[in-house]
Amino acid sequence: GAGVSQSPRYKVAKRGQDVALRCDPISGHVSLFWYQQALGQGPEFLTYFQNEAQLDKSGLPSDRFFAERPEGSVSTLKIQRTQQEDSAVYLCASSVTGALSHEQYFGPGTRLTVT
Amino acid sequence: GESVGLHLPTLSVQEGDNSIINCAYSNSASDYFIWYKQESGKGPQFIIDIRSNMDKRQGQRVTVLLNKTVKHLSLQIAATQPGDSAVYFCAENTGGFKTIFGAGTRLFVKA
Repeated sequence: GAGVSQSPRYKVAKRGQDVALRCDPISGHVSLFWYQQALGQGPEFLTYFQNEAQLDKSGLPSDRFFAERPEGSVSTLKIQRTQQEDSAVYLCASSVTGALSHEQYFGPGTRLTVT
Repeated sequence: GESVGLHLPTLSVQEGDNSIINCAYSNSASDYFIWYKQESGKGPQFIIDIRSNMDKRQGQRVTVLLNKTVKHLSLQIAATQPGDSAVYFCAENTGGFKTIFGAGTRLFVKA
């Protein structure tokens, strides 16, 4: 079946622009995670949804970052007034049950470049 | 784990040999440990996990060893193949929502 998909795959934004990154998790998966991966580093947790509820947003680096999952399926990560330090790959992952199901299925990521 | 920026630790092995990738973790409260494989341009792919009440778990061609005394985790890959070339991340979880990834090790398999 289809895995996790993300769009766009690549995004170039000028500093100060707003961007929206989309994640389509595996159908029926309860949990959805967003991560930020800088070049040459491991993914860093941003936020977690269980269905439509955002249960943990402690990893969001600033109030310019906002995530939503209004119907418990597709999720959007929005970054307002982008800065150069926001340049990274943004990964989405889903898992079939709650947080203790550790087999997370990752999408290919969106590479964001802020110029 | 400590970030090494662009210069990931690298392991180079001959095809057919066994590979051992090591990871040190810092949080003694972590109760789940996971290994992920990431190929270029792709998201991480789950390989195997282990609970803190275990010291060894085997999968297909892979074995994870956990030494809680020295907070050390290792991934052993038997009969390494060219398709195993990737960056490998260990990750830890304290039972909550947040999974903490290490900096990664790049595995090169020489044909």
